[in-house]
Amino acid sequence: GNSVTQMEGPVTLSEEAFLTINCTYTATGYPSLFWYVQYPGEGLQLLLKATKADDKGSNKGFEATYRKETTSFHLEKGSVQVSDSAVYFCALINEGGSEKLVFGKGTKLTVNP
Amino acid sequence: DAGVIQSPRHEVTEMGQEVTLRCKPISGHDYLFWYRQTMMRGLELLIYFNNNVPIDDSGMPEDRFSAKMPNASFSTLKIQPSEPRDSAVYFCASSRTVPTARPQHFGDGTRLSIL
Repeated sequence: GNSVTQMEGPVTLSEEAFLTINCTYTATGYPSLFWYVQYPGEGLQLLLKATKADDKGSNKGFEATYRKETTSFHLEKGSVQVSDSAVYFCALINEGGSEKLVFGKGTKLTVNP
Repeated sequence: DAGVIQSPRHEVTEMGQEVTLRCKPISGHDYLFWYRQTMMRGLELLIYFNNNVPIDDSGMPEDRFSAKMPNASFSTLKIQPSEPRDSAVYFCASSRTVPTARPQHFGDGTRLSIL
């Protein structure tokens, strides 16, 4: 079956620190991969995506590279801000299969000034 | 474009009452999803529709839950009778058929508290 495993956190960083949130996946087909972000009191927002191996998704200073050899899609940001405090979800959809998004459990990030 | 619109944003009601949650998807989107989020269980897919037809309701917890999509611009999730364990944030999301990487767009959710 399809599954996503991400570090559960919580993660606490100081402003301007480097961020990595690990995500690995298991998929029977050829998945597209996503990172979603959920700010307090809001729904999930798409942060970035990648559709095939070696693709790099990027947005708002965040990056993630689709690594088929390690089945990973780690989220990184070089210098976090207080406004990045949120819960981050890694997810996949199996192309050619169900429309279901398979989510990881989420990683709560807190950035302190 | 307006995003996915959910109502109400907050609902507090007593056990045993009927609860109806509403969702208006993004215009032109042909998939609609209902999720439930709790601290204990995380984000769970309850049901999804394609072109107003329910495709997979395997996540609906029990017969007390029902969902309808009478037209392309409106869906409801109903709980009758409600129980305290139904307390959660319920999200609606929609997406559009494209060849790959079909991101789902989420509403801001309905925070439901059953007393």
